[in-house]
Formats: sequence, C-alpha cells, structure tokens
Amino acid sequence: GAGVSQSPSNKVTEKGKDVELRCDPISGHTALYWYRQSLGQGLEFLIYFQGNSAPDKSGLPSDRFSAERTGGSVSTLTIQRTQQEDSAVYLCASSFEQDTAYTFGSGTRLTVV
Amino acid sequence: GENVEQHPSTLSVQEGDSAVIKCTYSDSASNYFPWYKQELGKRPQLIIDIRSNVGEKKDQRIAVTLNKTAKHFSLHITETQPEDSAVYFCAAPLSGSARQLTFGSGTQLTVLP
Repeated sequence: GAGVSQSPSNKVTEKGKDVELRCDPISGHTALYWYRQSLGQGLEFLIYFQGNSAPDKSGLPSDRFSAERTGGSVSTLTIQRTQQEDSAVYLCASSFEQDTAYTFGSGTRLTVV
Repeated sequence: GENVEQHPSTLSVQEGDSAVIKCTYSDSASNYFPWYKQELGKRPQLIIDIRSNVGEKKDQRIAVTLNKTAKHFSLHITETQPEDSAVYFCAAPLSGSARQLTFGSGTQLTVLP
C-alpha cells in the first residue's frame, strides 16, 4: 500500500479483555516496529521485527503483551487481560532493510475502561 | 541502552524567529539521528535526519547539527511559521547502530502569529 495501515483506529475495551491491534506495513519494507505513546508523552519502544530473524521483544512491558508477524508482512500486537494503564496510542512503523527512516501508521487509540 | 535527553519541553517563538531544540545521547557508537514532527492527533513524520559521518545537514528552513564529541545534536528551524507548531521528537539508535530507535520526550513548539 501507499502507507502503513493500522486497524482499528480506535478501540474501547473493558478491563480484563484481550485486544488485537493490526499493522500492515509498506510493501517491501522488511523492518516493522511497534511503539506506544501515552497521552502527552514520548514514544516507548515495544518490539521490532526484521525479515525472518527472531524479533527483539526487549521493550514489551509485561508478558501480557505479545506480537507476531506472519509472512514477513502484517503484524498483530496482542494485549491480554488489559489494564487501565495500557490505555495509549499504539503506533506501528516500517522501514526498508537498509534504511532506518521510519514511516509511521496513524496509530490505534486504545482505551481500557 | 541509549538514553536520549531532549530540551526544552516547551518552546514559544514569534513568527519569523528561529527555534532551536537540543538532544543529548549517551552511546558514542550511535550513528543515526532523526527528527520527527507530530501535529496534534496525527502520526509522527520524519522531517530531517543526520548520520554520524557529517556535522550538519540542511533542508530549506530546517537544519540539524551534530557534535559527536559532546554527544549532542540540535534541530534548527529558521523563519518559523504558524504551521511549524507541533511536537518535535529527536531519536537515536537504541544501541550503537541498531535500527530500533529510542525517542526523546518531545518539544511542544508554538509559533505565535
């Protein structure tokens, strides 16, 4: 596609429920990143996928968070047993293998009530 | 891992004046320093970046300077316009030449007409 697509754009969920956030990177971009941005805050690194290599999960805040990337393209970030502190905008970005310049998606605004 | 400090957190300038935002980093092996602009409710967008083999890069009204000895880099915006009002984030590799970026805490720039 022309840009990085994320869905849903907004998600309201009850505390304790599981949620899945989807990211469709730019075609040909082998690197994919997930970040979290809390209200008025900076961007917090969560996880990084590069081609077929094992992902860097060092930024995931707890074992309730997981992500996968199927076929080197679409990625899904799953948050289990959501908590109110999980409320944030979840941003996905992608880049070419040889390039560090990110293109961000519009994000998913997650609200846990 | 890399720690990026960004200052100031807020900056107000009169239209037509210059704005300077500074970031410091800790890992001397870092080799890539991008700046992102995020307008309210929108995705971060790359506006300029610099690699460690150059000291300055300019693109029209924006420029970035890098001082590797002091481990800091700065964003310079000249002849500011109201549409420059946004949050600006600096970033550096999470470690060394890693593609994962760690971001500064952001600077809210307001250009007063």
